[in-house]
Amino acid sequence: DTEVTQTPKHLVMGMTNKKSLKCEQHMGHRAMYWYKQKAKKPPELMFVYSYEKLSINESVPSRFSPECPNSSLLNLHLHALQPEDSALYLCASRRTGQNTEAFFGQGTRLTVV
Amino acid sequence: SQQGEEDPQALSIQEGENATMNCSYKTSINNLQWYRQNSGRGLVHLILIRSNEREKHSGRLRVTLDTPKKSSSLLITASRAADTASYFCVRRGETSGSRLTFGEGTQLTVNP
Repeated sequence: DTEVTQTPKHLVMGMTNKKSLKCEQHMGHRAMYWYKQKAKKPPELMFVYSYEKLSINESVPSRFSPECPNSSLLNLHLHALQPEDSALYLCASRRTGQNTEAFFGQGTRLTVV
Repeated sequence: SQQGEEDPQALSIQEGENATMNCSYKTSINNLQWYRQNSGRGLVHLILIRSNEREKHSGRLRVTLDTPKKSSSLLITASRAADTASYFCVRRGETSGSRLTFGEGTQLTVNP
């Protein structure tokens, strides 16, 4: 199993809503990532978890709250988002070590109205 | 860009031709990876080249790395319409921990 599964595939939420994005992998990878990608732009790193601990937060606003409840699961909790937060949110995982590739999910396309 | 540059930003070729994409970066790296993205969805890993390697092949793909010049290139030979996608170089820096940093990307269109 070399899949990273993201749910939901699409999400429309209002600015006062609370929602969560979910990411799951069963490859035993201990590094997990959240990226945000706007149209025609490269993915931008948001968070990195290493061994279930937050290791990198790229100064992401607190309306985005990551959580890694176990080694297979990564969540991104969303609250009070703005329309400019509409984007494709990508999850990735990687076996720890210097020279290992990342596996990406298909993303959640988020629209904030 | 602090992350580095990719060129060209867009490339349009005919099926059967070769496509070359270039990537430059500014800080020392552990490795450089190339990924492909179809239609703005998930990314697929293509090839990884370590900082002490100069060239690597995988099928129709050839990647070179020039560490002193801090640049890399991806060559796709005998291109096919199915190669149409965005291609990104991704750097893992020596001092950046687990951070994987994307270049700006090249949009490749292969016309049948």
